Amino acid sequence: EIVLTQSPATLSLSPGERATLSCRASQSVNSYLAWYQQKPGQAPRLLIYDASNRATGIPARFSGSGSGTDFTLTISSLEPEDFAVYYCQQRTNWPLTFGPGTKVDIK
Amino acid sequence: EVQLVESGGGLVQPGGSLRLSCAASGFTFSDYSMNWVRQAPGKGLEWLSYISGSGSSTYYADSVKGRFTVSRDNAKNSLYLQMNSLRDEDTAVYYCARDLRGPGVYFDYWGQGTLVTVSS
Repeated sequence: EIVLTQSPATLSLSPGERATLSCRASQSVNSYLAWYQQKPGQAPRLLIYDASNRATGIPARFSGSGSGTDFTLTISSLEPEDFAVYYCQQRTNWPLTFGPGTKVDIK
Repeated sequence: EVQLVESGGGLVQPGGSLRLSCAASGFTFSDYSMNWVRQAPGKGLEWLSYISGSGSSTYYADSVKGRFTVSRDNAKNSLYLQMNSLRDEDTAVYYCARDLRGPGVYFDYWGQGTLVTVSS
């Protein structure tokens, strides 16, 4: 099973600041990694797939990069609605796995 | 508009069974693979199972293999999860999620979730 590790666990930032979230895989997942955003009481929302492709309707301030074992989700300038938990997910091997999440909260 | 609506959750005793349903609308259901993902209270996301559009291919997480069975009825636009031998640790919100067609098994639409509580 591919284990995904996310860091930091919590990121405290102010609106307008840049957020950089990391996801590391226990073995190469090529570029087969996605990022999701989840707000309290809501289902997750797909942001990025295949490491760097924005899903439909996702604002340009969200970008993804990386390949192999190291990946980054960047939010260029935080909007109030971006404070949430972010998960990475790999689809390289079964079972599909998620990272434990990074919470982005308001400083 | 794509909609996924789960139902069938509730309180069940350890060792019991429950069948979850997911009603799909707004897209050609048989064209899409589907998944179940759960989230224990205050915890992260856990993928549970996958079923191809035709239903001919399925995959499971080790934590539920042999206890849970995924199925679908394309004529009814419905996805199911039969859960047997339930344990306390199966307590979670259960989501059905559609595959992002093309790139592979990513989840582009999710239902609102249904809560399953396993407790005596």
